[in-house]
Amino acid sequence: AQSVTQLGSHVSVSEGALVLLRCNYSSSVPPYLFWYVQYPNQGLQLLLKYTTGATLVKGINGFEAEFKKSETSFHLTKPSAHMSDAAEYFCAVSETRRTGNQFYFGTGTSLTVIP
Amino acid sequence: NAGVTQTPKFRVLKTGQSMTLLCAQDMNHEYMYWYRQDPGMGLRLIHYSVGEGTTAKGEVPDGYNVSRLKKQNFLLGLESAAPSQTSVYFCASRRLRDRVWDGYTFGSGTRLTVV
Repeated sequence: AQSVTQLGSHVSVSEGALVLLRCNYSSSVPPYLFWYVQYPNQGLQLLLKYTTGATLVKGINGFEAEFKKSETSFHLTKPSAHMSDAAEYFCAVSETRRTGNQFYFGTGTSLTVIP
Repeated sequence: NAGVTQTPKFRVLKTGQSMTLLCAQDMNHEYMYWYRQDPGMGLRLIHYSVGEGTTAKGEVPDGYNVSRLKKQNFLLGLESAAPSQTSVYFCASRRLRDRVWDGYTFGSGTRLTVV
């Protein structure tokens, strides 16, 4: 069975500080991994994805994530937080060998950036 | 290129009423999905479709029906609305490109309140 755990439903950082949002997954087959961002009253926008190849992936808005198979983790980081980063972030896993290829989402982490 | 369009954006229903949510995509994506988003629970899959004329149940299908008569459209029906179906509903689509699955493209959501 596949599942996604996001540690910390709420994270607060100061503007300019490191952003670290944690995501652990379980999957019986090699997964595809994704991070999405959701701004208030909007849909979800893809930040970055890991499918195959390089385990450190870079996304939009200065975010990056590293796939660590041994730790079953896909943590999202950004070196310096900006006020515009305040949003809800969702980690998702997709098992490509399963019918439907649907995503399984974590419960989300709300990021607050303090001026 | 409109992407994924959901209608309506907002709706208030009385308990027992029925309605249909429409999702339309113009990207020729094969796979389409309906999710509901509730606070603290992330996104949960209601139904999905892997092609025109095919549908399948997701994690929380009870009280919902779907149809995919045309490739570009995926309809979600509520037969007899209940307050527990108060939620934000998201449609998403996905495609296989160069033998690698893209991430989801999401619609902007439908906010449904059942009173």
